[in-house]
Amino acid sequence: QKEVEQNSGPLSVPEGAIASLNCTYSDRGSQSFFWYRQYSGKSPELIMFIYSNGDKEDGRFTAQLNKASQYVSLLIRDSQPSDSATYLCAVTANQAGTALIFGKGTTLSVSS
Amino acid sequence: GAGVSQSPSNKVTEKGKDVELRCDPISGHTALYWYRQRLGQGLEFLIYFQGNSAPDKSGLPSDRFSAERTGESVSTLTIQRTQQEDSAVYLCASSLVPGMNTEAFFGQGTRLTVV
Repeated sequence: QKEVEQNSGPLSVPEGAIASLNCTYSDRGSQSFFWYRQYSGKSPELIMFIYSNGDKEDGRFTAQLNKASQYVSLLIRDSQPSDSATYLCAVTANQAGTALIFGKGTTLSVSS
Repeated sequence: GAGVSQSPSNKVTEKGKDVELRCDPISGHTALYWYRQRLGQGLEFLIYFQGNSAPDKSGLPSDRFSAERTGESVSTLTIQRTQQEDSAVYLCASSLVPGMNTEAFFGQGTRLTVV
């Protein structure tokens, strides 16, 4: 059974701080890794995806992938109250990337 | 359309009844996906369509669940003889080309409650 594990949180950080969200996965063959943001009662929105070891930056967001440790993280710099949401980690379930396995999500709360 | 549209947004049904959930993907998107999100859980993959064909149905939990897609557009997820464990938000997503590696856009979901 392929699994994706996330700490459910809540993770609380003050405004302006760096929020660090972590995710581990069980299938060494996983190819691509995704971070989605989901506001309460809303649908998930893709923040970014990564498929190579190392860091990938997009604005205030940085995804980090370490395939040897089967670990992927998301850093949010200069956290804003509007970043308060549940962050879902997902990995591809097959080579075609047509199905994802999601973690249960980490709830982030940014206080002003 | 401007985004992925799902209907109804909420559905309450009695145990044992059949329900149909509808998804209108973004116009021109060939790939369509159904996921289920139970309370406090991650999204569970149900089925993937490429055009009108479903090459991957591996996530459908039982033979009570079926889905079809017509005209390379609208998809319907049908749950027969609903059970309380079917209560969840059912999310549909679509992408221009196959693979969630390209950006897949989710609809707002249908919240199904089986009483």
